[in-house]
Amino acid sequence: EADIYQTPRYLVIGTGKKITLECSQTMGHDKMYWYQQDPGMELHLIHYSYGVNSTEKGDLSSESTVSRIRTEHFPLTLESARPSHTSQYLCASSVMGGAGSDTQYFGPGTRLTVL
Amino acid sequence: AQSVTQPDIHITVSEGASLELRCNYSYGATPYLFWYVQSPGQGLQLLLKYFSGDTLVQGIKGFEAEFKRSQSSFNLRKPSVHWSDAAEYFCAVSGYGGAQKLVFGQGTRLTINP
Repeated sequence: EADIYQTPRYLVIGTGKKITLECSQTMGHDKMYWYQQDPGMELHLIHYSYGVNSTEKGDLSSESTVSRIRTEHFPLTLESARPSHTSQYLCASSVMGGAGSDTQYFGPGTRLTVL
Repeated sequence: AQSVTQPDIHITVSEGASLELRCNYSYGATPYLFWYVQSPGQGLQLLLKYFSGDTLVQGIKGFEAEFKRSQSSFNLRKPSVHWSDAAEYFCAVSGYGGAQKLVFGQGTRLTINP
């Protein structure tokens, strides 16, 4: 079982607030990912990281930003939340190199509601 | 570009019945294929994956999937479903090398009738 944690699990917040969604993994994985998932829909990659100080934008444009200062930690920040940011955000990680690098392990997700 | 199609948005089966969830992919080279399951309000759990070798792969919870290159398919099967299998199922494809980004299908919601 993968050890990847996300906090908070649920967040309801007003428009204009700054929020940070936390994601941590204890597996020493190099790669980490953030996906956005609207209810009943597929996951879309919004950010990923190959390692410390490496961040890239994913396939779906997002107003959020990420940082990777430590291997185990990959927080996502919204400077000014809007109702259009209401969604579920899923964090994942995978190990670099070899066949295992293709298997992503997911956290439980953060369900964000912006009023 | 990679893409995944899950033709069935919602499937209902009776408990104890067999199950097959369809997945078709588009990718120019040999794909890496995955099935994930998501229970309500939860993250994704890996059921099984195909990288190479035997085209019939076994996963957790009694699930299996068969890779058919000629049909670009990777269908998920279970011989007898349990009420606890009710969930959303996602097929995903990843290319070898590079960012190895997963591309997901839109998911199939499975309902189990008692």
